Amino acid sequence: QVQLQEAGPRVVKPSETLSLTCTVSGGSIVSFYWSWIRQSPRKGLEWIGYVSYIETKYNPSLKDRVSISMDTSKKQLSMRLTSVTAADTAVYYCARDRSLSAWFEPWGQGALVTVSS
Amino acid sequence: QSALTQPASVSGSPGQSITISCTGTSSDVGGDNFVSWYQQHPGKAPKVVIYEVTVRPSGVSTRFSGSKSGNTASLTISGLQAEDEADYYCCSFTADKTRIFGGGTKLTVL
Repeated sequence: QVQLQEAGPRVVKPSETLSLTCTVSGGSIVSFYWSWIRQSPRKGLEWIGYVSYIETKYNPSLKDRVSISMDTSKKQLSMRLTSVTAADTAVYYCARDRSLSAWFEPWGQGALVTVSS
Repeated sequence: QSALTQPASVSGSPGQSITISCTGTSSDVGGDNFVSWYQQHPGKAPKVVIYEVTVRPSGVSTRFSGSKSGNTASLTISGLQAEDEADYYCCSFTADKTRIFGGGTKLTVL
């Protein structure tokens, strides 16, 4: 079955860029939509955005700072969030997004990223 | 984009039924039938228990059911069991094709 694994630096300095990758195994990457979702104690679950072979879409509250892309040759998704602050400290998940139905399954195990100097 | 409204906590005794509400607007919950529910145990990733308002994924207990009326969706868990104690989140498709989550509800099994 499809499995997802997030990877990337776990500590990022304020004002710098947070970068994560998500490796997809056990299934096709081009046939689906893929979302990034984060969870902080303060805000609960927050949808960041999705990528597919044909389009991307972002949360309006983050769209000026976030970009999500797909590398089909590596079967990887990437997420970059610029100008981070302490408010961006969260567990970041990637998940397969069932496009129009907008439900997520499976999820990666999550990556805790802390913004700190 | 404000989070969907869920009660912060609900509780019930083993064997009882509980319902968690999720209130949005006509631009999200009240629009299409694309509301999903997630169960999250401490330290674990969320797991879908209901999608498209009423559909239960394979492997999810029949004790979980979903419904919707107007701008409010609901998750009902019948025959509460200790293992149901977790956080529950709703999520909706929106009119501009984004997704929005609820604030989450902590379920305590007494």
